[in-house]
Amino acid sequence: TQLLEQSPQFLSIQEGENLTVYCNSSSVFSSLQWYRQEPGEGPVLLVTVVTGGEVKKLKRLTFQFGDARKDSSLHITAAQPGDTGLYLCAGARNNNDMRFGAGTRLTVKP
Amino acid sequence: GAVVSQHPSWVICKSGTSVKIECRSLDFQATTMFWYRQFPKQSLMLMATSNEGSKATYEQGVEKDKFLINHASLTLSTLTVTSAHPEDSSFYICSAREMGGRGNEKLFFGSGTQLSVL
Repeated sequence: TQLLEQSPQFLSIQEGENLTVYCNSSSVFSSLQWYRQEPGEGPVLLVTVVTGGEVKKLKRLTFQFGDARKDSSLHITAAQPGDTGLYLCAGARNNNDMRFGAGTRLTVKP
Repeated sequence: GAVVSQHPSWVICKSGTSVKIECRSLDFQATTMFWYRQFPKQSLMLMATSNEGSKATYEQGVEKDKFLINHASLTLSTLTVTSAHPEDSSFYICSAREMGGRGNEKLFFGSGTQLSVL
């Protein structure tokens, strides 16, 4: 059983559409990170959220941390083909434990 | 931002040989590094947590005698796949934790090593 449940697992949309990816858990996290990974490369950190209810924006990407710090969402506005990739959420519970969700494979068609 | 160097990027070896993968934090000290395994189109699976100066902590189901981890310095951790077999073929990724205040932990990843065992 995954500590972090990420959904959807696969998502294929047309350029210009909006989408939301969810990351849920029954555990409380001290912080939660979102990463994007392209084939054959390591994940690249997009954002870290720390405070319950926190919202961070990165251009067309909006990240939200749940009030109870158990869940998070990533919203992409007007998706572009360059957004295609594997999006991973990862939660830190203590100083020595960080786990990843199963990932959402996003494909944006031109 | 912080940089983690992983080497080699890819390796092809014969069944039964051992392969060593290096993970270096280039501009920060990392008391903790992590080793992951990733199968095609899947997420990262944590194999073990590498702590500088002490034994690694392995996840359930990961054979510690097969996947030897050494973290002898604050900037270097190595993963050795011993007596590799075709089923060990995978993409291996390391990460290093840069510590800040509470909730300011950041993981920086190496570029991964694609291992192919013939």
